[in-house]
Order: sequence, then structure tokens, then C-alpha cells
Amino acid sequence: QSALTQPPSASGSPGQSVTISCTGTSSDVGGYNYVSWYQQHPGKAPKLMISEVSERPSGVPDRFSGSKSGNTASLTVSRLQAEDEADYYCSSYAGSDNVLFGGGTKLTVL
Amino acid sequence: QLQLQESGPGLLKPSETLSLTCTVSGGSIINNNYYWGWIRQPPGKGLEWIGNIYYSGSTYYDPSLKSRVTISIDTTKNQFSLKLRSVTAADTAVYYCARQSWGTPFHFDYWGQGTLVTVSS
Repeated sequence: QSALTQPPSASGSPGQSVTISCTGTSSDVGGYNYVSWYQQHPGKAPKLMISEVSERPSGVPDRFSGSKSGNTASLTVSRLQAEDEADYYCSSYAGSDNVLFGGGTKLTVL
Repeated sequence: QLQLQESGPGLLKPSETLSLTCTVSGGSIINNNYYWGWIRQPPGKGLEWIGNIYYSGSTYYDPSLKSRVTISIDTTKNQFSLKLRSVTAADTAVYYCARQSWGTPFHFDYWGQGTLVTVSS
């Protein structure tokens, strides 16, 4: 199975909003509400930001939100801040006891 | 606070077996709600799920690695381990261990800091 498809890069100015997409198929993203998003700063471990498409774990700012339409999930970061600059990865259950990650998106805060 | 820490050799030669251990502290590895997983990240690239294990020993593996991977668990030491056989340069990566919720919710919520494993002759 192929990795989920994410744009390599995204950018926005402080205070703006940016949306990152994660495209899969009906066998993974489209088939289950088991999409999660992770933030990774350079040299650090990934951090869970969104679970089950749109659920925000405790401690994650409400500027982060998730959604899904068909085979594409999205992560929106509102009111961009400098510390949001990082790599973001989506992940989905892919059926048959398998898990897929996206290729990652580098978010730059201009 | 739950903590996970990877340990193991950082340099291997091609054809050798990669062996890593993840030590869990701040909580028991015997937990009905979670699996314990391994994820890797080649330099400059994205995350790749390797597989996971339940405290009972039940495992799931990525299909592309299944023939070379074994994940085991030692509940007496609160540890779980990864073995990857016949490594090549393509297995060079930072290897992370993580707690994985398998079901509802479905995510990785606690991660180790990661350990770099380099395969080179």
C-alpha cells in the first residue's frame, strides 16, 4: 500500500490560517474515521495533535482543527504562530490491521 | 507521566539483525486499552509504521516488512522489543517506539525520543 498523499510544503503569515490536505482511498482515509495528525519539530519526536479526524487531545490549542471529506482529510491551523512551524504528518487505519502515514508537509510561518 | 525510551546499537553492517528495546516507565505495559508500536523515519523522509504488540503477545506488522520483523514483549521488565533481520542501507532511520491506541480512539499518543540506526559497511 502507498503512503497517504500530502503536499510537501505549506506556508502562511502569522495570524493567518493554513490548511494541509491528506489524500488516501476508500480503503483507508475514506473508509474509517481513524485519521490522526502529528506535529514534528526538527530533531524531536512527533506529537499527537488531532485524533479520529477532528478530536483534539488535552493540551492542544484550539487553533488546530481537523476534518474529512470523502478520501481526503484536512488539518487547519488558525491564527498561525511562529511555533507552529514544523512538519505535519497524517495517519490512517488502512484496513487489514495496517496503518499508513502521509509523506509529511513542511509548514513555514512567513 | 508515561515515558518511553529506545535503546540498542546505532551502527549495523548489511545483512545483520537490528535489535532495539523500548523501556516504558510511569505506567504499566499491561493495559487493556493499548498496543505498543514501532515507527521509523529515514533521514529527511516521512514516518513509516513497522508494527505493534499487545501485552498478551498479539502482533500486527506492516505487510512490506512482515517477513523480516519480529516484535516481542517482556511484561516483567515493562519492555518491548523490535528485531529486523537482513538489514540494508534502506533500513537506516530513526526508530521510535510509541503507545498505540488500536480502536477508538486510534492514534499514537506517547512517543520515545527516537534512536538513529545506521546500516553501513
